[in-house]
Amino acid sequence: DVKVTQSSRYLVKRTGEKVFLECVQDMDHENMFWYRQDPGLGLRLIYFSYDVKMKEKGDIPEGYSVSREKKERFSLILESASTNQTSMYLCASSSQFTGFEAFFGQGTRLTVV
Amino acid sequence: ELKVEQNPLFLSMQEGKNYTIYCNYSTTSDRLYWYRQDPGKSLESLFVLLSNGAVKQEGRLMASLDTKARLSTLHITAAVHDLSATYFCAWGNDYKLSFGAGTTVTVRA
Repeated sequence: DVKVTQSSRYLVKRTGEKVFLECVQDMDHENMFWYRQDPGLGLRLIYFSYDVKMKEKGDIPEGYSVSREKKERFSLILESASTNQTSMYLCASSSQFTGFEAFFGQGTRLTVV
Repeated sequence: ELKVEQNPLFLSMQEGKNYTIYCNYSTTSDRLYWYRQDPGKSLESLFVLLSNGAVKQEGRLMASLDTKARLSTLHITAAVHDLSATYFCAWGNDYKLSFGAGTTVTVRA
C-alpha cells in the first residue's frame, strides 16, 4: 500500500512564526504535492515537485515555499504565518507509472492565532 | 483558466434510490479521478478514468468519462448510509490534478 505520512495532525502556531509541514512517502513516487483545503473551495494546489530539488508553483503559492532534498520527502514552509493560512493542508504523491493517481496523507489541520 | 465544476454541491439522498453527481471541466483531458472524503479524514481514491468512454464500477458506485463532452459522472445505485461523504472529481493535467469543490452527500433513511 502507498503510504503518505504527514508529520502532524494538528498544529497551533502564532502569527509571524515560521512553520514547517513535513511529508514523507514510501512508494518511490516522483511527484509530490501540497494542497490546502477550505470549506466550499475544494482543494487548491500550493506547490508541487516532479523530481528532487525541482519545484513549481501551483495556484496559490503566495506566502509559502517548499523544499525537496530527497525523493521521499517534501516540506511546506510558511515563512511568516498569518491567520488567513489557517486551513487543512494535504500532502499527496503520484507516479506516471500508475496513471498519476494521487495518494494523500492524513492531513494537517493548522490553526494560526 | 481551468475550471472543474461539480454539481450538485450538496445532495440529500434517500436510502434505496439512485443519484448522479456531475463533473464538468473546461479544458481537454483524458484523465479524470474520483475521490471520497469522510469527515475529518483525508481523501481516498475511488476511480481513475484514463480514456474516453471509460466506465468503472465498485459496489454501488459507477463512474464514467466522456472527454468530448468534458463530462464525468458518478452514479450511485440504491444509496445506503455508508455512502455519506464528500465526493471530489479531479482533472488531470501533466503531473497535476485540479479538483472540483466537492459534493457533500447525506443519505437519510
